[in-house]
Amino acid sequence: SAVISQKPSRDICQRGTSLTIQCQVDSQVTMMFWYRQQPGQSLTLIATANQGSEATYESGFVIDKFPISRPNLTFSTLTVSNMSPEDSSIYLCSVRRQGNEQYFGPGTRLTVT
Amino acid sequence: AQSVTQLDSQVPVFEEAPVELRCNYSSSVSVYLFWYVQYPNQGLQLLLKYLSGSTLVKGINGFEAEFNKSQTSFHLRKPSVHISDTAEYFCAVSGGNTGFQKLVFGTGTRLLVSP
Repeated sequence: SAVISQKPSRDICQRGTSLTIQCQVDSQVTMMFWYRQQPGQSLTLIATANQGSEATYESGFVIDKFPISRPNLTFSTLTVSNMSPEDSSIYLCSVRRQGNEQYFGPGTRLTVT
Repeated sequence: AQSVTQLDSQVPVFEEAPVELRCNYSSSVSVYLFWYVQYPNQGLQLLLKYLSGSTLVKGINGFEAEFNKSQTSFHLRKPSVHISDTAEYFCAVSGGNTGFQKLVFGTGTRLLVSP
């Protein structure tokens, strides 16, 4: 498995501001993923972050809104920019390990007022 | 595109009763299948996975699932549930036309276990 931590665990933010979420893994991984889980909904993949290259975004998500950094093989950040109430969600990072399993962090619960 | 259908949004059941949570996927080619559980205010925990081999897969907490290729299903079962099994359960698939790197999730099934 993998030990994944996220900071902050939750936050309440004002409309128009930005929040950066950190994801730390206990060992080196090639691929990290960022998901969004809107209230009462399933998980939707935002982007895939590989170290040393730009993140690959899924349809409906753009870099200006969700910039991602991947400075090394154990860390990544996701920024939610110019927030609106519609951005209120749980944001989760995950990593892919041998056996094609993905392990998830505890999530960051974001509320935008 | 790959898709996952969890027909039941909510399944109420009494403690010690058996339960089956249904999952169907769309791809007709090789896929990997997963069940995750999300307890209230927590992240996702992997329950079990099917990659290849035996179609009956056993996971943690007494859960098991059966891969049925002809019916494109991967239903989750437990013979006797506990109150602590109350949680949201997500079926997920990778492979098919979206590749094995990405997970596509179903909409989730809320299991409600009552005394």
